[in-house]
Amino acid sequence: AQSVSQHNHHVILSEAASLELGCNYSYGGTVNLFWYVQYPGQHLQLLLKYFSGDPLVKGIKGFEAEFIKSKFSFNLRKPSVQWSDTAEYFCAVNPNTGFQKLVFGTGTRLLVSP
Amino acid sequence: GAGVSQSPRYKVAKRGQDVALRCDPISGHVSLFWYQQALGQGPEFLTYFQNEAQLDKSGLPSDRFFAERPEGSVSTLKIQRTQQEDSAVYLCASSLGTGNFHEQYFGPGTRLTVT
Repeated sequence: AQSVSQHNHHVILSEAASLELGCNYSYGGTVNLFWYVQYPGQHLQLLLKYFSGDPLVKGIKGFEAEFIKSKFSFNLRKPSVQWSDTAEYFCAVNPNTGFQKLVFGTGTRLLVSP
Repeated sequence: GAGVSQSPRYKVAKRGQDVALRCDPISGHVSLFWYQQALGQGPEFLTYFQNEAQLDKSGLPSDRFFAERPEGSVSTLKIQRTQQEDSAVYLCASSLGTGNFHEQYFGPGTRLTVT
């Protein structure tokens, strides 16, 4: 079945550590890719998105993601995390079937300890 | 400016009751989406409106689920004869246009608990 996989369900890091969260998808053809974040008590909000062009995309708050087409991956990275990055992170794919619906992964809970 | 709002924020229903969940999208947003988020899972697509037209309802899990957006702004998701498996957070999102490059803005969700 077509899906989006996030292999890390829970990640615990110390401040200043580097972060990489994995995301793989199983859709063929052209896709649009997103990372959303949900801070405690807040709405889902967009971190970054990839539609075309440079496969390395930069988002808000120092996050970036790399689209590797051959690996069907769109991993999220941040060189140095802060306590305020504690949140749940969701990878999402728009299979580009004509409508904008998003298919989400199961999410990764990140806890950054000060 | 005002974001997407949803009401109620929390709803407890006895099994078999009908519920109605409301979404107020950002003013002027053409597209509106409903998602269902079960505990420990990512949001799952339910249905999509472009103005008042429901163009995709492929994610609605059963015929107990019904959504409408009669005037192309406010939307209501109705669940009839609620079951325990309907317990979830129901998220509404809106976007300005209809192209895939438009960002979806999410509301806070309605947490439905069916007892």
